[in-house]
Amino acid sequence: QSVLTQPPSASETPGQRVTISCSGSSSNIGSNYVYWYQQLPGTAPKLLIYRDNQRPSGVPDRFSGSKSGTSASLAISGLRSEDEADYYCAAWDDSLSGPLFGGGTKLTVL
Amino acid sequence: EVQLVESGGGMVQPGGSLRLSCAASGFTFTNYWMSWVRQAPGKGLEWVANIKQDGSEKCYVDSVKGRFIISRDNAKNSLYLQMNSLRAEDTAVYYCARDYNRLPGVLWGQGTLVTVSS
Repeated sequence: QSVLTQPPSASETPGQRVTISCSGSSSNIGSNYVYWYQQLPGTAPKLLIYRDNQRPSGVPDRFSGSKSGTSASLAISGLRSEDEADYYCAAWDDSLSGPLFGGGTKLTVL
Repeated sequence: EVQLVESGGGMVQPGGSLRLSCAASGFTFTNYWMSWVRQAPGKGLEWVANIKQDGSEKCYVDSVKGRFIISRDNAKNSLYLQMNSLRAEDTAVYYCARDYNRLPGVLWGQGTLVTVSS
């Protein structure tokens, strides 16, 4: 069964850098682009990163994405309190023939 | 204004049906694949279905195949999700989204809540 695995939680202090991982397989991350979304409490998800490391217009360069093999990472530098949110990775899955989301990581800014 | 607005959510009994709508405005609807994504209470995101620009291709997550039907009316700039044989586990906020390379992109609706309960 296709799965994208994220840590359920992460935390860091303001101003610091945090990295969130996303582990998949050859049918998803290994052969397709990775997307990252931010979801603030009570709101719709927002696209942060597409095509592994591209930022949509308006997304600060504090947010960056990377990928190696079947794993991907989202890095957030210069943490701010407003970055406290849930973060989801996603990728097309060839076995599912559709998009697959990770379980999400709840980021706490201490 | 570029936006997506969902409607049609509500409470329904198990085994019942509901039709969700998503009205698109401010962009050329016919240029994009469109998706439905859901989020059960306190849970993560789950892609449900998507549909090609002309409606000729439709894809579904296994858990809704044979029960849900995605469709679109390009003349009305609208996306739909017909949900039949609803189960308690279908309870979620349903979002419509404009796709970018077959995944939900920068544009999402505000979501509509579907509750399946007796």
